[in-house]
Order: sequence, then C-alpha cells, then structure tokens
Amino acid sequence: GAGVSQSPSNKVTEKGKDVELRCDPISGHTALYWYRQSLGQGLEFLIYFQGNSAPDKSGLPSDRFSAERTGGSVSTLTIQRTQQEDSAVYLCASSLGLINEQFFGPGTRLTVL
Amino acid sequence: GDSVTQMEGPVTLSEEAFLTINCTYTATGYPSLFWYVQYPGEGLQLLLKATKADDKGSNKGFEATYRKETTSFHLEKGSVQVSDSAVYFCALSPNRDDKIIFGKGTRLHILP
Repeated sequence: GAGVSQSPSNKVTEKGKDVELRCDPISGHTALYWYRQSLGQGLEFLIYFQGNSAPDKSGLPSDRFSAERTGGSVSTLTIQRTQQEDSAVYLCASSLGLINEQFFGPGTRLTVL
Repeated sequence: GDSVTQMEGPVTLSEEAFLTINCTYTATGYPSLFWYVQYPGEGLQLLLKATKADDKGSNKGFEATYRKETTSFHLEKGSVQVSDSAVYFCALSPNRDDKIIFGKGTRLHILP
C-alpha cells in the first residue's frame, strides 16, 4: 500500500516568509509525528498527534512553529517568519498507535535564504 | 533527560569486513531500542528493534542486543556489503509516550 507522503519535497523561501509543510500518513494510522533533521544535529522530535490532538508539543523550537491535524489524517506543519536556522529536512512519520513501529515519509527539505 | 549517544562517523570499511557501530543510551524505566537506516536518496526506515533487556533484534544480517547492564545496543554485522552504505541511527522510545529519541547518526561507507 501507499506509504507516508510529504509535500513539497523541496521548499526554498526567503527569511521572514511563512511556509506550510504537509504530511499524508498511511491510511488507518492514528498517530502522526513530526521530526526535524538538521546537518550535524541528528533527528529532533517536534510534535506528535494521537488522532487530532497533540499530547506532546514539547519539541517545537519556538512559538513560530505550529501544527495541526484534521480528520485524523493529513497534518500541516506551519513555520511563521522563517529564519535561516529553520533550514533542515522536516520528516513526518505515522504509526498504528502507541509504541508501534513508525513509518517515515521522504521528508521536505526547507531552505531559508 | 533521555538520550542516545552513538559513535561518530564516517566509518569506512572494505566489503566483507566486520562492522560494529556503538550505541549507548540514558533513560529512566524500560525503553524500547531501535536501529533505523537511511539509504542514499531514501527515507528513514526501521532496521531492527528490541523491546526488553537481553532481546536481540536482527534483520538483513544485522544484529543488536539490548544490554541493560551496560545501557548499550551496539549494531553488528559479520560481513558488510557495498549496499550497506547508508546512515545508521540508534534510537529509543521511552514508552511513557510515543516519541522517538534519535542519536546523531553514523555514516557508513563500504568500499568494493
């Protein structure tokens, strides 16, 4: 079946602009996660959803970052007033629920000029 | 807080060499442990996992044993192939919630 998909695959934006990154999880997966992969920093947890609610937002780096999930499916990660340090690959993953294997999407490479 | 430390790369080996990538963790309670792999141009995928002490995860010739006494989960393979060239991430899930905490990754180059 189809895996986790993310769009766009690449996004180049200017400093100060807002961006939206989209994640389509595997059908039926109730849990959805966002991570950030920065050069030299490894993978950093941002936020996860169980259904449409986000029990853990502790990883969001600042209030410029927000995420929502509607209908228990698609999720959008929004970064407002982007900064150069936001440049990274943003990864989305989904799973059947707590402590199940997470399946990762191919990521969105964000470059802030 | 919970964390994962893995050996820095890059690691360069010849084909058929023995591979070890060290990983140690810090966690309260009893986390689940994972190795994820990212092949060039591909997404992150689960390689193997272990959910309790002394469990051995294995896949594609790779193995790792959950050692609670040494808080380690070292990745091993007896004979590597060029196709094993990738970035390998050690990770843990605290099992209190559902996030995964990753190490910084180890890039592996296998020479023919």
